[in-house]
Amino acid sequence: EDKVVQSPLSLVVHEGDTVTLNCSYEVTNFRSLLWYKQEKKAPTFLFMLTSSGIEKKSGRLSSILDKKELFSILNITATQTGDSAVYLCAVEAYQGETSGSRLTFGEGTQLTVNP
Amino acid sequence: NAGVTQTPKFRVLKTGQSMTLLCAQDMNHEYMYWYRQDPGMGLRLIHYSVGEGTTAKGEVPDGYNVSRLKKQNFLLGLESAAPSQTSVYFCASSFTRELPLYEQYFGPGTRLTVT
Repeated sequence: EDKVVQSPLSLVVHEGDTVTLNCSYEVTNFRSLLWYKQEKKAPTFLFMLTSSGIEKKSGRLSSILDKKELFSILNITATQTGDSAVYLCAVEAYQGETSGSRLTFGEGTQLTVNP
Repeated sequence: NAGVTQTPKFRVLKTGQSMTLLCAQDMNHEYMYWYRQDPGMGLRLIHYSVGEGTTAKGEVPDGYNVSRLKKQNFLLGLESAAPSQTSVYFCASSFTRELPLYEQYFGPGTRLTVT
């Protein structure tokens, strides 16, 4: 059974702090790892990672994947109150020719950034 | 271009009633998914479809049925609703069957309460 574990489950920081969110996984036939941000509605896509050691960056957010140790981290520097959200990690695994691929999500990390 | 839409947005059912949730996408996506999201549980895949006329089971398929008669629509049915099915339901779609799976686009969610 595919498994994705995120830590911490909850994090409270002050504006300007830097945070690191963790995602470890055990899946069969790994294809990619994705990060999403979820505020009070549907998740929105942040990054997709397929190769080890290559950092993806978007503004103050960055992410990297380690396929050998089976984990990824999401970094947010100089946090702002608008970064408050649940951050979801998902891993794509191939199920076979007829079933294609599907995502398994972690529980999410609830990040709260206080002014 | 409306993206992914879900109908209805909210619903209250009595135990034993049936209902169908409709997901529609206008992006010509091959893959469509139904997830449920419960507090502290992340997103869990119910069923998914890799193309018109095909469906596959996800992590938590019991108590649900799906159909994908048209490429743009993916229906989720509850034949006999139970309080354990109280949840927020998200539909998602994605474009390609190529490696790796591309980002998923999420609908706004349906909040279902079963009393």
